[in-house]
Amino acid sequence: DIQLTQSPSSMSASLGDRVSLTCQSSQGIGNYLSWYQHKPGKPPKPMIYYATNLADGVPSRFSGSRSGSDYSLTISSLESEDIAIYYCLQYDEYPYTFGAGTKLELK
Amino acid sequence: EVQLVESGGGLVQPGRSLKLSCVASGFTFSNYGMNWIRQAPGKGLEWVAYISSGSSFIHYAGAVKGRFTISRDNAKNTLYLQMTSLRSEDTALYFCARRGAAISTSYFDYWGQGVIVTVSS
Repeated sequence: DIQLTQSPSSMSASLGDRVSLTCQSSQGIGNYLSWYQHKPGKPPKPMIYYATNLADGVPSRFSGSRSGSDYSLTISSLESEDIAIYYCLQYDEYPYTFGAGTKLELK
Repeated sequence: EVQLVESGGGLVQPGRSLKLSCVASGFTFSNYGMNWIRQAPGKGLEWVAYISSGSSFIHYAGAVKGRFTISRDNAKNTLYLQMTSLRSEDTALYFCARRGAAISTSYFDYWGQGVIVTVSS
């Protein structure tokens, strides 16, 4: 199975900060990677798909990038509503696998 | 508006069975593959099972293979998950999720609110 390693596991940042989260794949998955924002009591919300594409309704302060087997989710200027756990998902092949998540908190 | 509504959860004893349902609306259900994903208390997300639009292709996570069965009724716009031989580690919030239609968008683009399954004696 493909393993996704997210880093850091948690981080704290201030409002307005630029934040970058990373997801590393154990094998090649091309661009078949998506990012999800998960808040308590709600279903996960897709943020980025195909590594770099913004999902519907997602603010432009979010972006996705890829360098080899490393994928990143960047928030250009952190807002309070961005506080959540973020998961990456590979959908290159079944079993689809999620990373363990990065918990983003306010400093 | 796309909606996915799960039901059928509850408290069940270890070794017993339970069947979850997910009713879809707002899109042509028969055109989309569907999935079940779960989140155990205090843990991350775990994909459980997938079924293609016409039920031709089915995949399971290793942890549930042989115990869970995914199925669908396109006439009723409903997805199912039959869970047997339940274990305490199956305790989780279970989500149904739609898989996008195109190859590049075959991620989970819409999710239900989830249904809780608790396996305990």
